[in-house]
Amino acid sequence: AQTVTQSQPEMSVQEAETVTLSCTYDTSESNYYLFWYKQPPSRQMILVIRQEAYKQQNATENRFSVNFQKAAKSFSLKISDSQLGDTAMYFCALNSGGYQKVTFGTGTKLQVIP
Amino acid sequence: DTGVSQDPRHKITKRGQNVTFRCDPISEHNRLYWYRQTLGQGPEFLTYFQNEAQLEKSRLLSDRFSAERPKGSFSTLEIQRTEQGDSAMYLCASSLGGGRSYEQYFGPGTRLTVT
Repeated sequence: AQTVTQSQPEMSVQEAETVTLSCTYDTSESNYYLFWYKQPPSRQMILVIRQEAYKQQNATENRFSVNFQKAAKSFSLKISDSQLGDTAMYFCALNSGGYQKVTFGTGTKLQVIP
Repeated sequence: DTGVSQDPRHKITKRGQNVTFRCDPISEHNRLYWYRQTLGQGPEFLTYFQNEAQLEKSRLLSDRFSAERPKGSFSTLEIQRTEQGDSAMYLCASSLGGGRSYEQYFGPGTRLTVT
């Protein structure tokens, strides 16, 4: 079984500041993928960033970067220079080797304040 | 650029009625997934297809639910004898097969309200 835990139901950040969203996970597989998805209000889920477990280097996509701590099973998302358009629900997700389904956390609602 | 599309976007139905949703995946994707998302929660896996074969079903998928993917293209999800607990957003996703199957692309969802 695979589990994903997001312990921050809601967060807020001032525009242009940096915010970090936390995620922990559990899986018995050695090969897996981790993702952060963004779901704006009433809009569809968008893949923000992905991390392959066998890669030690943390993934980066423009203003979005992750801190992947494999031993601690931690996968946090850092958003730099926050913009109003970053306001959304953010879901951490896990796809373990052999599983076709993606397991999602309960989400963190991020509000960017002007 | 044609992403995953779903129809309808919203559906209101009375308890006991049957409803059917459609999902059109990205054209070159041979894997298709259905998820259910209730308010304030992350999506939960329901079922997945590789081409036309339904390969995995969640325990969440009761016998009132049936999904098909004829010819390995679009998919339908039918809920029979709807209950108020079925009210949720139903999300469809698709992916390539093989080594790229881990990356799923989501549609806008169908929001079902059962009154």
